[in-house]
Amino acid sequence: GENVEQHPSTLSVQEGDSAVIKCTYSDSASNYFPWYKQELGKRPQLIIDIRSNVGEKKDQRIAVTLNKTAKHFSLHITETQPEDSAVYFCAASIDSGYALNFGKGTSLLVTP
Amino acid sequence: SQTIHQWPATLVQPVGSPLSLECTVEGTSNPNLYWYRQAAGRGLQLLFYSVGIGQISSEVPQNLSASRPQDRQFILSSKKLLLSDSGFYLCAWTHGGELFFGEGSRLTVL
Repeated sequence: GENVEQHPSTLSVQEGDSAVIKCTYSDSASNYFPWYKQELGKRPQLIIDIRSNVGEKKDQRIAVTLNKTAKHFSLHITETQPEDSAVYFCAASIDSGYALNFGKGTSLLVTP
Repeated sequence: SQTIHQWPATLVQPVGSPLSLECTVEGTSNPNLYWYRQAAGRGLQLLFYSVGIGQISSEVPQNLSASRPQDRQFILSSKKLLLSDSGFYLCAWTHGGELFFGEGSRLTVL
């Protein structure tokens, strides 16, 4: 089955700096790669996703890149703000609507 | 609009006691339904998924079971809880697009 590895497990940055979280996956059949944000005590929520026919996708301060050959994808957050502090999960599946295999999460702390 | 309800929100159970967590989805039909567990340091682990009434696929062998008695109802059960069953249980649904999570049920087994 699919195995998703995520690094780092914790990340601390100063407000205004950039944050990068990296994930690798094992199943070459995976084509859908979403990222979820989970604030303390709350449910995970989708923040951005990318499909294998696209190499990069951007939404304001958040961007995701995908290297399908190397089987890795990354989340980039620019101009970080304290409210970006949360746990971020990457995931992979063969397509949206199918079961997602999640990484173990990255706890991001943005200090003022 | 679609909504997902999950209950109870928190519960504390003794080892060996039974468990029943319920999840219902409103505003859609024939959704794919999922149970995930989130334990400290272990991310989101897929436990069960269902593509239709009575259809359950198990991802991880354990003392938990799932049932889907109705199209929009998904139940997670155990006959005898173990300490290792403690965690944050999340029900989720999708209908071909984004995966939406319920608010979660925090289970502590003592």
